[in-house]
Amino acid sequence: QSALTQPRSVSGSPGQSVTISCTGTSSDVGGYSYVSWYQQHPGKAPKLMIYNVNKRPSGVPDRFSGSKSGNTASLSISGLQDEDEADYYCCSYAGSYTLLFGGGTKLTVL
Amino acid sequence: QLQLQESGPGLVKPSETLSLTCSVSGGSISSSPYYWGWIRQPPGKGLEWIGSIDYSGSSYYNPSLKSRVTISVDTSKNQFSLKLSSVTAADTAVHYCARLIVGTTDWYFDLWGRGTLVTVSS
Repeated sequence: QSALTQPRSVSGSPGQSVTISCTGTSSDVGGYSYVSWYQQHPGKAPKLMIYNVNKRPSGVPDRFSGSKSGNTASLSISGLQDEDEADYYCCSYAGSYTLLFGGGTKLTVL
Repeated sequence: QLQLQESGPGLVKPSETLSLTCSVSGGSISSSPYYWGWIRQPPGKGLEWIGSIDYSGSSYYNPSLKSRVTISVDTSKNQFSLKLSSVTAADTAVHYCARLIVGTTDWYFDLWGRGTLVTVSS
């Protein structure tokens, strides 16, 4: 199993929109609708932002949305705010009760 | 509300076994549809799934770590544990325990512990 592929960094100005991609294979991202996204601020534990590709847990702003096409999942953040600056990780079910994380993307709010 | 707390030695010698425990409070570890997992993060690097277990003790491991990992559960103490044998400096990481939601349409970690740093050094 190799880590899912994410861009190392993305950036945007306050109010703008950004999208973070997460590319896997037909054995993980493409094979299941079990992609989740986590936000991690420095020194903190990850926080669930999106699950089952496009569902938001209670309390997560609707500025965050998820989607998937083929072997690539995406996290979109609209109306960027300073507090969105963090690392973001995707995670996918990979069969046989195993899970696979992406390498992580650092979001910078300019 | 449910909380998870990791505990264990912060320093382990090379070739020895890393042992951590996750204590679950505010809820039962035996509740469904929950599994329980360990995830690690080397300093400055990304997250890596180590393995997961359900309340009955059925465990599943990252293939790259499988030969060295054992995850167990103690329902009487509402805890689950991680053992990683033959550690090297490459195993130095913040280790998180987390609750894993598992169902016919669900696979995601919804609650995480604060994490504990384990350093492998002589």
